[in-house]
Amino acid sequence: EVQLLESGGDLVQPGGSLRLSCAASGFTFSNHAMCWVRQAPGKGLEWVSSITADGRHAYYADSVRGRFTISRDSSWNILYLEMSSLRADDTALYYCAKEYNSGWSFGGQGTLVTVSS
Amino acid sequence: QSVLTQPPSASGTPGQRVSISCSGSISNIGNNFVYWYHHLPGTAPKLLIYRNSQRPSGVPDRFSGSKSGTSASLAISGLRSDDEADYYCAVWDSSLTNWVFGGGTKLTVL
Repeated sequence: EVQLLESGGDLVQPGGSLRLSCAASGFTFSNHAMCWVRQAPGKGLEWVSSITADGRHAYYADSVRGRFTISRDSSWNILYLEMSSLRADDTALYYCAKEYNSGWSFGGQGTLVTVSS
Repeated sequence: QSVLTQPPSASGTPGQRVSISCSGSISNIGNNFVYWYHHLPGTAPKLLIYRNSQRPSGVPDRFSGSKSGTSASLAISGLRSDDEADYYCAVWDSSLTNWVFGGGTKLTVL
């Protein structure tokens, strides 16, 4: 069974940094691209970033490019999202997802990031 | 404002068939696969349709997807009360080089 367990969310001040993790199990992690998607309070789903299966290529939404960095550790089957220069509008529930037939399949309950002073 | 346009709401009575549209452009829906998700806030989005019209195992055949030109649709037949949720379309945009989600449609079962 595919399992994706997000963690690392917290309350952080504007301008601060945070690292999110997504522990994957139940599939061959190194064979699948991965991504992060978020949902701000009262808003819809927003794709944030994705990374290829080999980790060589990363893609970012304009809203986070230059502030967020996606990475993966295929030894430990963990996906990361390093977030810096956080802003109030980064407040959201962050989900990770695995590639499924060129799209995305989710599995976890998300991790909450709150940016506030 | 999303590049994919969905109606903000839809409704139907139990047993009815409802359809949710997703309108885009040549750079997204026109040239790439469309995906549909069922979402209850605070829970993991559930993939309903992949590659325009395919259902993952475990998704009932009450759910169907289609695409024509730069628009796509999700149809739900035999509507049930537990179908109440938010529904999103998603697609890769070749011009933006990123994934885009529609704004979401809140389905109410009356």
